[in-house]
Amino acid sequence: KAGVTQTPRYLIKTRGQQVTLSCSPISGHRSVSWYQQTPGQGLQFLFEYFSETQRNKGNFPGRFSGRQFSNSRSEMNVSTLELGDSALYLCASSSTGTGGYFNYGYTFGSGTRLTVV
Amino acid sequence: AQSVTQLDSHVSVSEGTPVLLRCNYSSSYSPSLFWYVQHPNKGLQLLLKYTSAATLVKGINGFEAEFKKSETSFHLTKPSAHMSDAAEYFCVVSSGSSGGYQKVTFGTGTKLQVIP
Repeated sequence: KAGVTQTPRYLIKTRGQQVTLSCSPISGHRSVSWYQQTPGQGLQFLFEYFSETQRNKGNFPGRFSGRQFSNSRSEMNVSTLELGDSALYLCASSSTGTGGYFNYGYTFGSGTRLTVV
Repeated sequence: AQSVTQLDSHVSVSEGTPVLLRCNYSSSYSPSLFWYVQHPNKGLQLLLKYTSAATLVKGINGFEAEFKKSETSFHLTKPSAHMSDAAEYFCVVSSGSSGGYQKVTFGTGTKLQVIP
């Protein structure tokens, strides 16, 4: 059974540019959540998608957005990049998502390391 | 309100000695609790989970954790540390919220160092 696949693994962008990250969840998982991980702030929840609908959203500016496709693959987009957006972006899939009884936990991808210069 | 407190940001043990990583939680609802491990430049891997069945939960790689409701704790233990256990460990709580959704909260992590 394939795991959660995130692409690309590494990315270097310039301030002001935009970036799109991709996540393919485990087959059959309908929920995809995105997290930002930095040394200073730790793991911070960005948003969750379930069946193509954004279910939950964290406390990030509108420059951070996402979407989910009918095959459950998800993308997140960051526009007008800032130096502080440099982070490891983790995608996690789960079968029930937070709209149901979240007792299975997440399966995480390896992440995309974004560096903004 | 829901929160997770990992009581130690760094723990250092010698190889072959026991490991104890401490986690306290608070939740207004019956929680599910998880421990994840993250090796450098990797994603997080589920070690074990508690979902209201047995209070002593066994996970992968010899780790186990005990849910103690009276102490609101979910400490992670391992009898004998291996060098490969050196990583960062996250305690996670999930429970209902007033909005009807399950709220998932991560602890700030404990970095485990294993000394040869």
